[in-house]
Amino acid sequence: GAVVSQHPSRVICKSGTSVKIECRSLDFQATTMFWYRQFPKQSLMLMATSNEGSKATYEQGVEKDKFLINHASLTLSTLTVTSAHPEDSSFYICSARKQEINYGYTFGSGTRLTVV
Amino acid sequence: GQQLNQSPQSMFIQEGEDVSMNCTSSSIFNTWLWYKQDPGEGPVLLIALYKAGELTSNGRLTAQFGITRKDSFLNISASIPSDVGIYFCAGQSGFGNEKLTFGTGTRLTIIP
Repeated sequence: GAVVSQHPSRVICKSGTSVKIECRSLDFQATTMFWYRQFPKQSLMLMATSNEGSKATYEQGVEKDKFLINHASLTLSTLTVTSAHPEDSSFYICSARKQEINYGYTFGSGTRLTVV
Repeated sequence: GQQLNQSPQSMFIQEGEDVSMNCTSSSIFNTWLWYKQDPGEGPVLLIALYKAGELTSNGRLTAQFGITRKDSFLNISASIPSDVGIYFCAGQSGFGNEKLTFGTGTRLTIIP
């Protein structure tokens, strides 16, 4: 199989603080992981592509200094929301793909971030 | 970013009915994926399609990769309560570790 674990599942933080979300591939190695953001009743919007050992690639309109991504190993990528504001409240989801070409992307269970 | 047009946006059906939803794009995709998302969870892969014209089944689910590579449909037969959720199509334009483009989603509700 291909299991992706995301932690924490829920987090509440105060405005101005930073929050780190972890994404781990449990039974496979992932050179590339993806971070999505989903607002209520909307689709998933790709924020950035996380590349192991190199800088992340951010989608247009996503602030790289605000959403820091670190992919330090083949099984772990982290997303840090810095200086969080209430408008950053959202559902953040990561995904990874086994390197075998015909294996679909596996998603984590998501992190509900609420900034108060 | 680009999104795939998915229809219908929502469906209200009775248990036991068949369901059909589709996804269209102005761009060609080499891979089409169908996912189901339950509230507060990440999407779960239902079916993956890799060849134009391919028809693939997974239990009561059947999906097809359009011959033009610009569309796909998903059918669910004899719906049951656990089918409730949001269904997303996703397209990938090339092979390898490339990003997915997601559809706008179809919310399925089963009326008691």
